[in-house]
Amino acid sequence: AQKITQTQPGMFVQEKEAVTLDCTYDTSDQSYGLFWYKQPSSGEMIFLIYQGSYDEQNATEGRYSLNFQKARKSANLVISASQLGDSAMYFCAMRTLLAQAGTALIFGKGTTLSVSS
Amino acid sequence: DVKVTQSSRYLVKRTGEKVFLECVQDMDHENMFWYRQDPGLGLRLIYFSYDVKMKEKGDIPEGYSVSREKKERFSLILESASTNQTSMYLCASRVGGDSPLHFGNGTRLTVT
Repeated sequence: AQKITQTQPGMFVQEKEAVTLDCTYDTSDQSYGLFWYKQPSSGEMIFLIYQGSYDEQNATEGRYSLNFQKARKSANLVISASQLGDSAMYFCAMRTLLAQAGTALIFGKGTTLSVSS
Repeated sequence: DVKVTQSSRYLVKRTGEKVFLECVQDMDHENMFWYRQDPGLGLRLIYFSYDVKMKEKGDIPEGYSVSREKKERFSLILESASTNQTSMYLCASRVGGDSPLHFGNGTRLTVT
């Protein structure tokens, strides 16, 4: 079964430190994509970064990078130089084929990141 | 910018009522989705649609139905609301392939 696992319910980090949020996945699809979203207390869902299963290089977007280890089925999000505004819930998601003509994203349970000064 | 609009931010309904949650997107996306978000459970897919009048069940379709009569609009219907359907409902759309989901601001539904 297709599944996303985020094992860290909460993480705490100080400003300017780097933090890694864990994500492992299980899929039988040959081709898939992995996404990370941020949800601040306002509730909006903000897309952060994407990694395709055939991409050989790890994706990076500003202070965000995705540490993709295909053999281990992990897609960890690394945030460098944390800022107070990074405090939020973070979701890992995977694109998966759910119907003959349809793909959807399935999500993990999320990790709450708290950044302190 | 893609805009996904959910008609209500907050909704309070009584047990047994028929409830409609409306979602409209303005970017001609083929794919639209309804998720439910509960603390500790993340986002769970209720239904999705990859074309007008097409719908597919997600992980938790029981107690829900959907309607997609026009490409830009995707409605979630609770035929007979129950207290265990109290939740945050998120609508989203995407083009397809490996494009990201674009989310609405959510509807917090309380069923009393």
